Amino acid sequence: KAGVTQTPRYLIKTRGQQVTLSCSPISGHRSVSWYQQTPGQGLQFLFEYFSETQRNKGNFPGRFSGRQFSNSRSEMNVSTLELGDSALYLCASSGTVITSTDTQYFGPGTRLTVL
Amino acid sequence: GENVEQHPSTLSVQEGDSAVIKCTYSDSASNYFPWYKQELGKRPQLIIDIRSNVGEKKDQRIAVTLNKTAKHFSLHITETQPEDSAVYFCAATIKAAGNKLTFGGGTRVLVKP
Repeated sequence: KAGVTQTPRYLIKTRGQQVTLSCSPISGHRSVSWYQQTPGQGLQFLFEYFSETQRNKGNFPGRFSGRQFSNSRSEMNVSTLELGDSALYLCASSGTVITSTDTQYFGPGTRLTVL
Repeated sequence: GENVEQHPSTLSVQEGDSAVIKCTYSDSASNYFPWYKQELGKRPQLIIDIRSNVGEKKDQRIAVTLNKTAKHFSLHITETQPEDSAVYFCAATIKAAGNKLTFGGGTRVLVKP
């Protein structure tokens, strides 16, 4: 099976702009989680989607949003970009059903730089 | 709170020695504990995981132990090799947060040849 893919891989934006990142999960997986990774803060959970429904949300401002489509592909959007949003954004896919012990498989990430 | 603490943040070992990374978690209902390895510029890769009905699991040079009473789990790497150099993350599901997977802060491991 093909792994998790993310597009684009690199992105440079300026403050105030908005950005949309895409994640395609492993075929058959229905859950997609998003994480922000920064050198100082490690892996911070943004949100999780399962079958087009947001199941969980992390402690991020409302500028961060996401959605999931019927084919399980997911997008996340960040509006009004700030310098502090510069990070590696990782998505991870898991499972065909919701369980607490599903393994998450990560995509390669999108490196976002905000100037 | 819903957190996972990981120690140490950096670990330098001589090739051939063992490395141990420890994590503690707060939710007594947590039941899944994966470990990920992230090499520079690459995605986190699952290297081993353990579920709450098991106390120890081993895969070649890697082992994980779980102490549910004390709410801590550890990663043990034996006979370390230069290719073990990476950042390692522990994680635990937080049932109180809808089974959200919460990560520790990471441990940068350097294996010196």
